[in-house]
Amino acid sequence: DVVMTQTPLSLSVTPGQPASISCKSSQSLLYRDGKTYLYWYLQKPGQPPQLLIYEASNRFSGVPDRFSGSGSGTDFTLKISRVEAEDVGVYYCMQSIQLPPTFGQGTKVEIK
Amino acid sequence: QVQLVESGGGVVQPGRSLRLSCAASGFTFSTYGMHWVRQAPGKGLEWVAVISSDGSNQYYADSVKGRFTISRDNSKNMLYLQMNSLRAEDTAVYYCAKGGRGSGSYVRYMDVWGKGTTVTVSS
Repeated sequence: DVVMTQTPLSLSVTPGQPASISCKSSQSLLYRDGKTYLYWYLQKPGQPPQLLIYEASNRFSGVPDRFSGSGSGTDFTLKISRVEAEDVGVYYCMQSIQLPPTFGQGTKVEIK
Repeated sequence: QVQLVESGGGVVQPGRSLRLSCAASGFTFSTYGMHWVRQAPGKGLEWVAVISSDGSNQYYADSVKGRFTISRDNSKNMLYLQMNSLRAEDTAVYYCAKGGRGSGSYVRYMDVWGKGTTVTVSS
């Protein structure tokens, strides 16, 4: 299985400040179709996960533009340009270049 | 508005069976793959199974292969997970999630998730 490793595992951020989460995969997530199968999810407290970013850098419908995804190959980053109180929760990266889809351990983001 | 509502969770003894259901609405159910993903208490996300839009293809995590069966009824907009020979380590919140369209895309992601149903396996 493809192993996904996130850092840091927790993050405390002042509102209005930026935040960044790293995700590394054990193999390249670039498929022969030219797409990179890396996704970012946010699970707010008491809620199911919600899709933020698909194919490494595309914001899903309705996701604020303060969220951005970047990276290629095996190294990826989720950035929040200005953290808001509603951004608290656990962020997961997920790969689906091969079955089974696998998730990172999660990064818990809290507000200072 | 896409909506997924899971049901069927509960407390069950080890070795017994349980069937989860997921009612879908707000989209053309028969054209999308569907997933089950679970989350053990206080833990991260673990993908469980996926089924193609027409039900002809299913894939499973090794941890549930041979014990769980994913199925769907497109005439009723329903997704199911039959869970047999349950173990303590199957204790989790089970989410159904909408996948992608198309022969290759349906396994690639989950874009909308239900609120989940809780399964507890305990004697």
